[in-house]
Amino acid sequence: QKEVEQNSGPLSVPEGAIASLNCTYSDRGSQSFFWYRQYSGKSPELIMSIYSNGDKEDGRFTAQLNKASQYVSLLIRDSQPSDSATYLCAGSLSGGYNKLIFGAGTRLAVHP
Amino acid sequence: SQTIHQWPATLVQPVGSPLSLECTVEGTSNPNLYWYRQAAGRGLQLLFYSVGIGQISSEVPQNLSASRPQDRQFILSSKKLLLSDSGFYLCAWSPQDRAGANVLTFGAGSRLTVL
Repeated sequence: QKEVEQNSGPLSVPEGAIASLNCTYSDRGSQSFFWYRQYSGKSPELIMSIYSNGDKEDGRFTAQLNKASQYVSLLIRDSQPSDSATYLCAGSLSGGYNKLIFGAGTRLAVHP
Repeated sequence: SQTIHQWPATLVQPVGSPLSLECTVEGTSNPNLYWYRQAAGRGLQLLFYSVGIGQISSEVPQNLSASRPQDRQFILSSKKLLLSDSGFYLCAWSPQDRAGANVLTFGAGSRLTVL
């Protein structure tokens, strides 16, 4: 059973701090990884994708991938109350299928 | 630009009743289409995906079915709903090209409560 694991949280950080969200995956053949943000009652929206080992930065967001350790993370700098949401980590399935496996998500709460 | 529509947004159905959820995509051709379900407090579970008209792959055994009668239309159905079918149903699409094939864009979702 191929899985993506996340700590469910909640992760509580003060406004302006760095939030660090982590994810591990079991499918060693996974090539593509994604972070989605999901506000309560809404559908997920893509915020970051990463395909290569290392860091990828986009504004306040940095995704980090370590394929050897099968580990993906998302850093949110200068966290804002509007960042409070559930963050879903997803990885592609190996074997040529156009499918993603999602983790259960980490709930982030940014308090003023 | 591409747009994905999903309806109805909310529905409450009795056990044993039928179900039909519909999803359409605009602004692209030959997309990959997906149905996911999210139970309360749980992750997204892939139910069906389709790479073309009439081509449906089922991921989990259940009393649900999917159809793709047109290139940009994806329908989720059930003949008789169970209590366990309650959840948040999400339609998604991705491009067919290799580079974008895993980049999913979700519809607004359909919240189903089975009583």
